[in-house]
Amino acid sequence: QVQLQESGPGLVKPSGTLSLTCAVSGGSISNNNWWIWVRQPPGKGLEWIGEVYHTGTTTLNPSLKGRVSMSVDKSKNELSLRLNSVTAADTAVYYCATLGAIDYQFDSWGQGSPVIVSS
Amino acid sequence: DIQMTQSPSSLSASLGDRVTITCRASQSIRTYLHWYQQKPGKAPKLLIYAASSLQSGVPSRFSGSGSGTDFTLTITSLQPEDFATYYCQQGFSLPRTFGQGTKLDMK
Repeated sequence: QVQLQESGPGLVKPSGTLSLTCAVSGGSISNNNWWIWVRQPPGKGLEWIGEVYHTGTTTLNPSLKGRVSMSVDKSKNELSLRLNSVTAADTAVYYCATLGAIDYQFDSWGQGSPVIVSS
Repeated sequence: DIQMTQSPSSLSASLGDRVTITCRASQSIRTYLHWYQQKPGKAPKLLIYAASSLQSGVPSRFSGSGSGTDFTLTITSLQPEDFATYYCQQGFSLPRTFGQGTKLDMK
């Protein structure tokens, strides 16, 4: 089973860009078809941000209004998430996870990377 | 978007109790329904997928049932490590959506 490890800046200024990476170990990023990002604001529930195929194809949550992009780097075996024009509402713990190929469940999760948007 | 509604939002129970959490979808999702457990400061953990399939390594006291729009997660004989927040998630269509969560605490 793959292990996932998110990393990021921790603190981002309002109107700036949030950038996170998710390192994949214990398997190739190409072996799992889809990889997902989920976030959780403090004290709140879970929100699906989107998912990225190992070829780079993405499916993104329309609620983020085009502010989000995702990519994969096969040479580094890692995923990346970028969220532009951040506000305090984007303060959350961000998780990467694997997507089950048949039933679309989120099988394995990283430990999460907390991000605070504040000046 | 498919709305997922869990009930109750919170639940108090005692060790050894049997508890049931319900998840209702705003339209049929067949059996594309999954359950997660989350403890404070930790990532969610998959318990049940496809409505009733137990994820590898998950104790058999957890079970799931349902299809269409109505689903249940049942925990028999509550153990200390089961006090947590539980979420349902639909994998039927995009965007993938979660229920609001059910917090299970000790009575």
